[in-house]
Amino acid sequence: NAGVMQNPRHLVRRRGQEARLRCSPMKGHSHVYWYRQLPEEGLKFMVYLQKENIIDESGMPKERFSAEFPKEGPSILRIQQVVRGDSAAYFCASSPTQGWEGPSPEQFFGPGTRLTVL
Amino acid sequence: SQQGEEDPQALSIQEGENATMNCSYKTSINNLQWYRQNSGRGLVHLILIRSNEREKHSGRLRVTLDTSKKSSSLLITASRAADTASYFCATDGEYGNKLVFGAGTILRVKS
Repeated sequence: NAGVMQNPRHLVRRRGQEARLRCSPMKGHSHVYWYRQLPEEGLKFMVYLQKENIIDESGMPKERFSAEFPKEGPSILRIQQVVRGDSAAYFCASSPTQGWEGPSPEQFFGPGTRLTVL
Repeated sequence: SQQGEEDPQALSIQEGENATMNCSYKTSINNLQWYRQNSGRGLVHLILIRSNEREKHSGRLRVTLDTSKKSSSLLITASRAADTASYFCATDGEYGNKLVFGAGTILRVKS
């Protein structure tokens, strides 16, 4: 059973370009979370999605950032017009459904995408 | 604001010694989890303890949870050089399913 997959692993963009980060959850997992980690810090929650729906986006910056998790295909975190402050590691996690359609509390993380904005 | 805070920030021990890391949090929780992160890599899930549990074991890991003090500890017994990594606690509950992470403890095990 393959783990959570993220690509690319490293992404370099110039200021003003767009960054697209992809996440394929573990097989059978329908809950996806995105987190951002700045150097020397812990992870900060960004957004929680369940197939085709955004459940909680309280950690997403109001502008330039968007996320989706379509019926088919990976989840995408999109950052438009990147700035140097967007440089960070972006991690995706997934969890299976338990019981009554809610997510299991364990979240399994991918290897991350390290975004560098020049 | 940060929910969890780990201490110490950094810990250096000899191989074979035990390592204890602590985590404190501010609000009520459903679960507390510990993760390991090797330098520049993703997070590996170590153990989850529910709010109604007080202690849990997994191999060389022992986790305790004291909800009255809003704190948890992670004990790694008989440490190995391969245990060198950053360790994070993460809580969920007050803010829904999202995990709230502390800043982590950097553990270095010298061989």
